[in-house]
Amino acid sequence: AQSVAQPEDQVKVAEGNPLTVKCTYSVSGNPYLFWYVQYPNRGLQFLLKYITGDNLVKGSYGFEAEFNKSQTSFHLKKPSALVSDSALYFCAVRDGITGGGNKLTFGTGTQLKVEL
Amino acid sequence: GAGVSQSPSNKVTEKGKDVELRCDPISGHTALYWYRQSLGQGLEFLIYFQGNSAPDKSGLPSDRFSAERTGGSVSTLTIQRTQQEDSAVYLCASSSLTGGFGELFFGEGSRLTVL
Repeated sequence: AQSVAQPEDQVKVAEGNPLTVKCTYSVSGNPYLFWYVQYPNRGLQFLLKYITGDNLVKGSYGFEAEFNKSQTSFHLKKPSALVSDSALYFCAVRDGITGGGNKLTFGTGTQLKVEL
Repeated sequence: GAGVSQSPSNKVTEKGKDVELRCDPISGHTALYWYRQSLGQGLEFLIYFQGNSAPDKSGLPSDRFSAERTGGSVSTLTIQRTQQEDSAVYLCASSSLTGGFGELFFGEGSRLTVL
């Protein structure tokens, strides 16, 4: 079975400061990892994904994420936060093993609040 | 259309009534997913359609829930004899690639309130 944990329900940072939203995962095979963002009353929007290759993945809106296999983590980062980054962030995983199915398992989400 | 379209955007119903939620995926996308988002619960997988393959129904919470996808395009999620615990936002997503490499494109959801 595949699972994702987002240990923080909420993260608060000051505008201009770096931000990190944490995610750890559990899968049987190689993980395919994703980050999505949800703005109020909207659907989820894709930010970035890790399938294979470079452990540092760059995505939309200046976000990046670092895949760490030994720590089974895929933390989302941004060097300088903006107030407009305030939203709900979801980490998701899919198990890469053959026959593992194609559905993504999502974490419970982390509410990011960027303050002036 | 340009994105995934869901209707209705809001639905209020009485306990015991049946409801149908519709999803129109991005044209050409072969994969279609339904998720449920409850307050504080994250996203719960319900069902997944891929082309002409048998759907993965492993996430449907009870036999009151069913879904179909006609002609490989539009999908309808049906909830029979609705209960108050069915109140949630139902999200539909579609994807263009098999194998899970493609990102999911989500609609804005159908908010269901069961009184």
